[in-house]
Amino acid sequence: GQSLEQPSEVTAVEGAIVQINCTYQTSGFYGLSWYQQHDGGAPTFLSYNALDGLEETGRFSSFLSRSDSYGYLLLQELQMKDSASYFCAVSLNSGYSTLTFGKGTMLLVSP
Amino acid sequence: DAGVIQSPRHEVTEMGQEVTLRCKPISGHNSLFWYRQTMMRGLELLIYFNNNVPIDDSGMPEDRFSAKMPNASFSTLKIQPSEPRDSAVYFCASLDEAGGRRELFFGEGSRLTVL
Repeated sequence: GQSLEQPSEVTAVEGAIVQINCTYQTSGFYGLSWYQQHDGGAPTFLSYNALDGLEETGRFSSFLSRSDSYGYLLLQELQMKDSASYFCAVSLNSGYSTLTFGKGTMLLVSP
Repeated sequence: DAGVIQSPRHEVTEMGQEVTLRCKPISGHNSLFWYRQTMMRGLELLIYFNNNVPIDDSGMPEDRFSAKMPNASFSTLKIQPSEPRDSAVYFCASLDEAGGRRELFFGEGSRLTVL
């Protein structure tokens, strides 16, 4: 099976930079995704890494190291609206595209 | 496209009753997923369909749960009989694999409360 570890909660202030780490154990790794979920809402896609390195999308960046089975989501210039849960998810190279999610990290942004 | 559409948004029922949750995926997406979310267990994959065929149902808790996908535009998740421990938010999602990035589009979820 697969397992993913990410911190349960992170706090930061507006304007700051925060990094949410994710380590995974799986066989047949294909890629690592990140999703954001506001309280009571649906998870929404943020980013996807299949290759090592950094992917940047506006204020958000995601990094992957396949050799270390590790990735992170970097959020810059934090805003109050970034307060949400963030999930990493692994997809496998099994011929089918299932995604397994971590337990999520709750980010609290304060003024 | 209107996105993934789920119904009902909220359901309150009594233990022992049958519950049917419905999902319409985004047109053109070949894969559909049912997830269950609780505080304790997070987002759990229940079942995954590819081209309307169930591929992985290892996450379905027990025989009380069943899922069908009779065509590319409709899926159901049924719980019979329901129990209080089934209370959760059930999400349906369809998968866009364009460019190989495997992006899941989630519906707004069905919040189930079993009394």
